[in-house]
Amino acid sequence: IAGITQAPTSQILAAGRRMTLRCTQDMRHNAMYWYRQDLGLGLRLIHYSNTAGTTGKGEVPDGYSVSRANTDDFPLTLASAVPSQTSVYFCASSGLAGGTTDTQYFGPGTRLTVL
Amino acid sequence: AQSVTQLDSQVPVFEEAPVELRCNYSSSVSVYLFWYVQYPNQGLQLLLKYLSGSTLVESINGFEAEFNKSQTSFHLRKPSVHISDTAEYFCAVGSRNTGFQKLVFGTGTRLLVSP
Repeated sequence: IAGITQAPTSQILAAGRRMTLRCTQDMRHNAMYWYRQDLGLGLRLIHYSNTAGTTGKGEVPDGYSVSRANTDDFPLTLASAVPSQTSVYFCASSGLAGGTTDTQYFGPGTRLTVL
Repeated sequence: AQSVTQLDSQVPVFEEAPVELRCNYSSSVSVYLFWYVQYPNQGLQLLLKYLSGSTLVESINGFEAEFNKSQTSFHLRKPSVHISDTAEYFCAVGSRNTGFQKLVFGTGTRLLVSP
């Protein structure tokens, strides 16, 4: 069982380009999340999805979009990348326990540099 | 709204010394509390969590944390650290939602263990 995989591992991108970060989980978790990690700011939630077909905005959603066509995949798209989106991006997922969710499991991350 | 404060950005200690990493939170509802650890160039891994019941929770590698509702704290402790404990530690608070969970992370504390 792989858990959560993310691709690419790292990417250097020119400003203005479109980029999709991929995230796949094999744990059949209902909820998935995207975070960005920046030095001194910890992790901040970008978007989330509590089940396939639904998505919601987190703390810092501007400039990002997501989709959840099925249970396993949760891609994050930067429509027109800007340098302030340089960051490390983590995908996470959580399942159900007694009707509520608790633990989130994280992928290995994607390091994105926008020049 | 929920928030998490980790006052110490970096904590240097010598091997076999005790350590305490501080975490305070604010929330108007019942919460779940978590400590995650991030080793260099890796994703976050769950270290321990408080959901309900006993206020003292332990991890398999000797860390423990105590939920103190009156002081709104969830400090992480270890009586004797190893070099391998060098990592960044994140405290997080989650609300008790059904179906999905939003986590709010602190800014992290870097634990540096030297010989």
